[in-house]
Amino acid sequence: DGGITQSPKYLFRKEGQNVTLSCEQNLNHDAMYWYRQDPGQGLRLIYYSQIVNDFQKGDIAEGYSVSREKKESFPLTVTSAQKNPTAFYLCASRPPGQRRDGYTFGSGTRLTVV
Amino acid sequence: QQQVKQSPQSLIVQKGGISIINCAYENTAFDYFPWYQQFPGKGPALLIAIRPDVSEKKEGRFTISFNKSAKQFSLHIMDSQPGDSATYFCAASIGNNNDMRFGAGTRLTVKP
Repeated sequence: DGGITQSPKYLFRKEGQNVTLSCEQNLNHDAMYWYRQDPGQGLRLIYYSQIVNDFQKGDIAEGYSVSREKKESFPLTVTSAQKNPTAFYLCASRPPGQRRDGYTFGSGTRLTVV
Repeated sequence: QQQVKQSPQSLIVQKGGISIINCAYENTAFDYFPWYQQFPGKGPALLIAIRPDVSEKKEGRFTISFNKSAKQFSLHIMDSQPGDSATYFCAASIGNNNDMRFGAGTRLTVKP
């Protein structure tokens, strides 16, 4: 079955550590996205990528970094510069030119700072 | 900046009742308005979507009503069921969907 796989499901980070969240899709989608979800704030865009080796900052990119070396993969690194990283992180993808289908989301990674 | 405002924040409805969630947007360039359903611990899933050239779209028990002049759209869930209990997000985007704006979400609880 095609879909988006996010791992790990739960992640704990110590103060000052960098952590990387994995996002893999087998949908052959070109565009991929990272969102952060906080209670009462909806989804906020961190980064997005339309093609391999290219990505753009979203509204809250500070303290995060991404790479897009393969079409299928779009990992997100939460750096120590992100002061409040505890949140639910969602990866999404979109098929090319098919706006009617909207986004396909993964099941998310819950990151907690300990 | 919150370009899509959603209300209410939470909603409790009896089984068989109608659930209504409202959204308002600011940017008149938005041309695609989806609704997503999210269960706890899962990612959102596309439920239904509408474009501004129609005023209503119905899929089963779910209906989107769209008022272009008022810049508002709403989700109606008819004959609400306990299995509909989830968080619902409205969203809006322009053109190629690379800048989709989400509402803050509504937590719906349907009591048996």
